[in-house]
Amino acid sequence: EAGVAQSPRYKIIEKRQSVAFWCNPISGHATLYWYQQILGQGPKLLIQFQNNGVVDDSQLPKDRFSAERLKGVDSTLKIQPAKLEDSAVYLCASSLEGSSGRFINEQFFGPGTRLTVL
Amino acid sequence: SQQGEEDPQALSIQEGENATMNCSYKTSINNLQWYRQNSGRGLVHLILIRSNEREKHSGRLRVTLDTSKKSSSLLITASRAADTASYFCATAYSGAGSYQLTFGKGTKLSVIP
Repeated sequence: EAGVAQSPRYKIIEKRQSVAFWCNPISGHATLYWYQQILGQGPKLLIQFQNNGVVDDSQLPKDRFSAERLKGVDSTLKIQPAKLEDSAVYLCASSLEGSSGRFINEQFFGPGTRLTVL
Repeated sequence: SQQGEEDPQALSIQEGENATMNCSYKTSINNLQWYRQNSGRGLVHLILIRSNEREKHSGRLRVTLDTSKKSSSLLITASRAADTASYFCATAYSGAGSYQLTFGKGTKLSVIP
């Protein structure tokens, strides 16, 4: 089965510019996550979608970050304008559990997009 | 803040030796998961242990969970050079209509051939 796809793999921009990342989850996975992983740290959840609705975006810096998941499949994450501290790897993950899931099953991660802000 | 905290931060062993990594967490969980991340790649799920389980095995992996101490350990037996990676524990909880994983900072394992 195809895994989680992300693009681009690498992006270098200057501060105050805009950037967008794309994610295509595993077919049939209802839940999609965006994580930010700063060098030397574990992934931090930015936003979680259930189908095309937002379940949790409490850690998303909404003044500059936005995300959408149209039609409950692909998702895009945008940063506008970027800051130096946004340099990180942005990981997309998907999982099977539905809205009534009592247990959190494994998440499947894409290869990530490495963002460098100069 | 991240709930899981792995210990040690870095571990270097010879091929064939066993590697043990520990994880401590702070709040109640539904389950705890371990993930591996090779350099420059996404995370790969290794094993999941539910809050009502105490020990679980998968191949060369053994995971224990002590909910009274809020801690878990991952044992990799007979390590190989290909096991070189960062290992993260992730605590899973559900509440207020959402359910999510919270990752620790990871243990960087180096297996020397």
